[in-house]
Amino acid sequence: SQTIHQWPATLVQPVGSPLSLECTVEGTSNPNLYWYRQAAGRGLQLLFYSVGIGQISSEVPQNLSASRPQDRQFILSSKKLLLSDSGFYLCAWSPPPGVNQPQHFGDGTRLSIL
Amino acid sequence: GIQVEQSPPDLILQEGANSTLRCNFSDSVNNLQWFHQNPWGQLINLFYIPSGTKQNGRLSATTVATERYSLLYISSSQTTDSGVYFCAVVGSGYSTLTFGKGTMLLVSP
Repeated sequence: SQTIHQWPATLVQPVGSPLSLECTVEGTSNPNLYWYRQAAGRGLQLLFYSVGIGQISSEVPQNLSASRPQDRQFILSSKKLLLSDSGFYLCAWSPPPGVNQPQHFGDGTRLSIL
Repeated sequence: GIQVEQSPPDLILQEGANSTLRCNFSDSVNNLQWFHQNPWGQLINLFYIPSGTKQNGRLSATTVATERYSLLYISSSQTTDSGVYFCAVVGSGYSTLTFGKGTMLLVSP
């Protein structure tokens, strides 16, 4: 069966420090991969999605970037964190081709910027 | 892009009560999912239901795609049902999920 792993679960970082959050999927090939952010309150905002290695689509301009160095690995990064980057970050995957397939979410990373 | 509206925004129930959550969307969809976000933040898949009716235990869902809405039914609610319920859709011509703002449910003993 397929599983998705995200780490770390919780992270506290100072303003201006770099960031790297990692997400991996097991048990499937060529998944679509997604990064979402949930700020205080309830809405989930799509940040990035990827349909293949090296293919990244950005949904909103921001201080973050994403990379997909391997088929089942998706990384969210920042060179210099801002206070506004605080939030709950969720990774998700869906089977290819992705449009008419359900998305499955990891357990999330709670990021606090001090 | 597609708009997703959920109602009610908040709901308080006594344990054992039934409830109906609604999701309206502004355009035709290729995908509709219901999620439950528990107090620890985990987003749990409840239903993948772009059309029709499905049931899973005390939960069931119905999507009427032609009328652009979906309903989530919770029967005999339990305290563990507390959390936020999200509806999310992929609009026709798009490839990514758009989430509603959620319904926050509190079930008291």
